Amino acid sequence: DTEVTQTPKHLVMGMTNKKSLKCEQHMGHRAMYWYKQKAKKPPELMFVYSYEKLSINESVPSRFSPECPNSSLLNLHLHALQPEDSALYLCASSQSGDLREQYFGPGTRLTVT
Amino acid sequence: AQSVTQPDIHITVSEGASLELRCNYSYGATPYLFWYVQSPGQGLQLLLKYFSGDTLVQGIKGFEAEFKRSQSSFNLRKPSVHWSDAAEYFCAVGGGYQKVTFGTGTKLQVIP
Repeated sequence: DTEVTQTPKHLVMGMTNKKSLKCEQHMGHRAMYWYKQKAKKPPELMFVYSYEKLSINESVPSRFSPECPNSSLLNLHLHALQPEDSALYLCASSQSGDLREQYFGPGTRLTVT
Repeated sequence: AQSVTQPDIHITVSEGASLELRCNYSYGATPYLFWYVQSPGQGLQLLLKYFSGDTLVQGIKGFEAEFKRSQSSFNLRKPSVHWSDAAEYFCAVGGGYQKVTFGTGTKLQVIP
């Protein structure tokens, strides 16, 4: 199984809402990533978890809060977002400490109204 | 700091024609190099990767890439393009721990 799943596929939320994005993998990977991708732009790294611990935070605003409950799950909690946060949010995983390849999920298309 | 340049924003090729997408990287040591493909609204799929060894790398879907250290390049090629190859292609470099930097992408259009 080389699949990374993400839910929901689409999410529309108001600026005062609280919502969460979910990512799951069952490949035994120990590193998981959140990326943000705006239209016609490359993915931008947000967070990296390695062995369920946050190892990289790319100076992401606190309205984005990551969580890694276990080695297979990665959440991104959203609160008080701005319209400019509308984007495709991609999750990826890889063998921890090994950049040999990252497997990406299909993404969650987020629209903030 | 590592960086990637994809000089072609948009490329159009005829179905059956050959394809070459350009990628230049900047990194102080031997990099990890990747090519990913993304269909509209989808995630990224890894086409191929280079870490060491043979500088000509074979990937999925008939793609290959050649690492040229002297030119800091990692160009992607395919001898005969199919309509289903139309997508966005991203070159990426990895060198820092767990961090991969993507190029700005090349959009491939395939015409009949």
